[in-house]
Formats: sequence, C-alpha cells, structure tokens
Amino acid sequence: EIVMTQSPATLSVSPGERATLSCRASQSVSSNLAWYQQKPGQAPRLLIFGASTRATGIPARFSGSGSGTEFTLTISGLQSEDFAVYYCQQYNKWPLTFGGGTKVEIE
Amino acid sequence: EVQLVESGGGLVQPGGSLRLSCAASGFTFSGYWMTWVRQAPGKGLEWVANIKQDGSEKYFVDSVKGRFTISRDNAKNSLYLQMDSLRVEDTAVYYCARKPNGWPFDYWGRGTLVTVSS
Repeated sequence: EIVMTQSPATLSVSPGERATLSCRASQSVSSNLAWYQQKPGQAPRLLIFGASTRATGIPARFSGSGSGTEFTLTISGLQSEDFAVYYCQQYNKWPLTFGGGTKVEIE
Repeated sequence: EVQLVESGGGLVQPGGSLRLSCAASGFTFSGYWMTWVRQAPGKGLEWVANIKQDGSEKYFVDSVKGRFTISRDNAKNSLYLQMDSLRVEDTAVYYCARKPNGWPFDYWGRGTLVTVSS
C-alpha cells in the first residue's frame, strides 16, 4: 500500500496570503495525484488531478506541482471560502490512498 | 448536472447488517467506475470499494474484505454497498463517488451516516 503523508497538519494563514501544502508518497505515483478540498459538513470537492491540472470550475489561485513522490498545492491570495481541509490522494495503484489532510485555518 | 444521492445509513448494532444505496443521475452511469469512500467522525478519508462499469471487477480495502459487497444496477442507475458483520470501527459517513478511467473521484454525493453501536 502506498502511504501518503501530508504536512503540515494545520496551517494558519491570513486572508490574502499564500498557503503551501505538501504531500509525499511512500513510492512513486508518477503524476497520478489529486487534491481535494473539504469544508465542514460537506463532501470533498476535486480541485486538482494529474498533479497540476485544475478541475472544472476551480479558480486559478489553486495550483499543483510535483511528480513521483513529492507534491505541492499552492493557494495564492487566500479567500475566506478557502479555509478548509485539503487532502491529497494517489490513484496510481490499488488500493487508492489518501493523505491525512491539512487544515488551513485563519491566522 | 451530475448528482449522486446516498441513502440507507442509520444506527446498527455490532455484528449487524446494512445496505447503502446511491442513486445517480445526470450522466451515463454505465460508463463509469463507481466508488464508496468513508470518513470516520473527525477523521480523514478512506477508500472502501470500487466496481467496474459492468460489475466484472471489484476491489476492497483489506479491512472490509469478506464483510462488504459492492454491486450496481445499471438499468436503475444505482450503486449499492452491502455491509455485514459490522464493527464499531465501521462507523463513518459513507460517500458514493464517480471515478472516470485514469482519473480520481470527480463527483461525490453528500454522504450517509452509518453508526455501529450497542
């Protein structure tokens, strides 16, 4: 099983600033890496797939990078609606696995 | 508009059974892999099971193998999860999600809560 490790667990950021979230895979997942956003009481929403491609309707302030085992999600100019929990997921190999999540909170 | 609506959750005793359903609309259901993902209270996401478009391939996380069964009815645009021998640790919100070939989960339902407790 591929283990996905996210850091930090919590990130405190002021509105308008940039947030950088990290995700590491225990073995290469190529570019088969997705990022999801989840707000309290809601289902996860797909943000990024293929490590760097934004899903339909996702604002340009969300960007993803990386390949192999190291990945980054950057949120530029954080807005109030961006404060949420973010999960990475590899879909390169069964079982499909998620990271433990990074909570982005208001500083 | 793609819609996934789960139902069937509730309170069940340890060792009991429950059947979850997911009603799909707004897309060609038979053209997609479908998935169940769960989230224990206050915890992260855990993939549970997947089923291929025609039901010929099924995959399960190790912790539910032999206890859970995934199935689908393409004529009814519906996905199911039969959960037997339930354990306290199966308590979670269960989400139905769509998985295009070579893609991650692109659409999710709102989830249904399963509580296993005596």
